[in-house]
Amino acid sequence: EIVLTQSPATLSLSPGERATLSCRASQSVGSSLGWYQQKPGQAPRLLIYDVSNRASGIPARFSGSGSGTDFTLTISSLEPEDFVLYYCQHQSNWRLSFGGGTKVDIK
Amino acid sequence: QVQLVESGGGVVQPGGSLRLSCAASGFTFSNYGMHWVRQAPGKGLEWMAVISFEGKSQYYADSMKGRFTISRDNSRNTLYLQMNSLRTEDTAMYYCAKERNVKATPGWYFDLWGRGTLVTVSS
Repeated sequence: EIVLTQSPATLSLSPGERATLSCRASQSVGSSLGWYQQKPGQAPRLLIYDVSNRASGIPARFSGSGSGTDFTLTISSLEPEDFVLYYCQHQSNWRLSFGGGTKVDIK
Repeated sequence: QVQLVESGGGVVQPGGSLRLSCAASGFTFSNYGMHWVRQAPGKGLEWMAVISFEGKSQYYADSMKGRFTISRDNSRNTLYLQMNSLRTEDTAMYYCAKERNVKATPGWYFDLWGRGTLVTVSS
């Protein structure tokens, strides 16, 4: 089973700053990597699929990159509503795993 | 309106059973694989199981095998999760989620989630 490790656990930034969230896989995952955003009391929302493709309706300030075992979600300029939780996700061999999450909070 | 609505959660004693339902509307349910994902209070997301669009294939996380069964009724646009021998550590919000890709197209990304149904296992 592939283990996804997200870092940092908490990222403290100010509105307007750039956020860089990391997701590292225990082995290569090819292009099968997605990102979700979860606001308090809500279900997750798909942001990015296949490493770098934005899901429908997702603002352009969200972007994904990476390859092999190291992946990044970048929020180019933080809006107030972006200070929430983010999870990475991978699927292979009929199994799916989520990372432990990164919380982006206001500095 | 495109949505998923879970139901069937509640308080159950250890060792008990529950069946969760997920009613789909606003899209062609029978074209999409469906999943269950749970989240314990204050914890991260945990994938549980998937069922293929036509219901012929099911796969489970290793930790879910034996006590949980995923099924679907495409005529009723409904997904199910039968949960048996429940433990206190099964206390969580249970979400159903729809795959983004139609039918057997590879890639398990979830573009539609329900609001969840809370299961509390306690004596």
